[in-house]
Amino acid sequence: RKEVEQDPGPFNVPEGATVAFNCTYSNSASQSFFWYRQDCRKEPKLLMSVYSSGNEDGRFTAQLNRASQYISLLIRDSKLSDSATYLCVLLQGGGKLIFGQGTELSVKP
Amino acid sequence: EAQVTQNPRYLITVTGKKLTVTCSQNMNHEYMSWYRQDPGLGLRQIYYSMNVEVTDKGDVPEGYKVSRKEKRNFPLILESPSPNQTSLYFCATAGGTGNTGELFFGEGSRLTVL
Repeated sequence: RKEVEQDPGPFNVPEGATVAFNCTYSNSASQSFFWYRQDCRKEPKLLMSVYSSGNEDGRFTAQLNRASQYISLLIRDSKLSDSATYLCVLLQGGGKLIFGQGTELSVKP
Repeated sequence: EAQVTQNPRYLITVTGKKLTVTCSQNMNHEYMSWYRQDPGLGLRQIYYSMNVEVTDKGDVPEGYKVSRKEKRNFPLILESPSPNQTSLYFCATAGGTGNTGELFFGEGSRLTVL
């Protein structure tokens, strides 16, 4: 079983839609969690950290469910500029980062 | 401007011809790392370095070498490239030991080995 699993998509949604991605992980000892964004053929960039209590940054909400071992990312009021691949990332002991394969989002006019 | 610079950005080479992909950062970060990204597999760590003269293997180190003689540079060396090393390569840096979760990536180097 992969350490991190994401639905690769693509998720095709119209502008203004709300879309949610999930990411499951297998190592219960994972310490911290993040969402990265990667535009086509470009480098990944940190979007937001994910806290147990859930956290929000504008239209983006991230949540962590340790009991079920998944994290989620909710995007409200999707914009064309949100089109990208979203990577789920785990930080394990010793500073090792594990990347999911990414979920592709395409927002259409 | 904070930067992580990789070179070359694109390279087509042939099996067995040694090549080096350079990575340089101006953020005075201790932690540097190399990843490769392949369809369906995500980003996989090749090697990482916590500081000068300190390097460790990641998940897929076979066929690669690295060195960290200076803080700002972390070159990736393919002594005898093979077609299965065709991939998109990213260098990344982080402050401290890299355990904050925030990595700063270079723009990527797309390598094709024929």
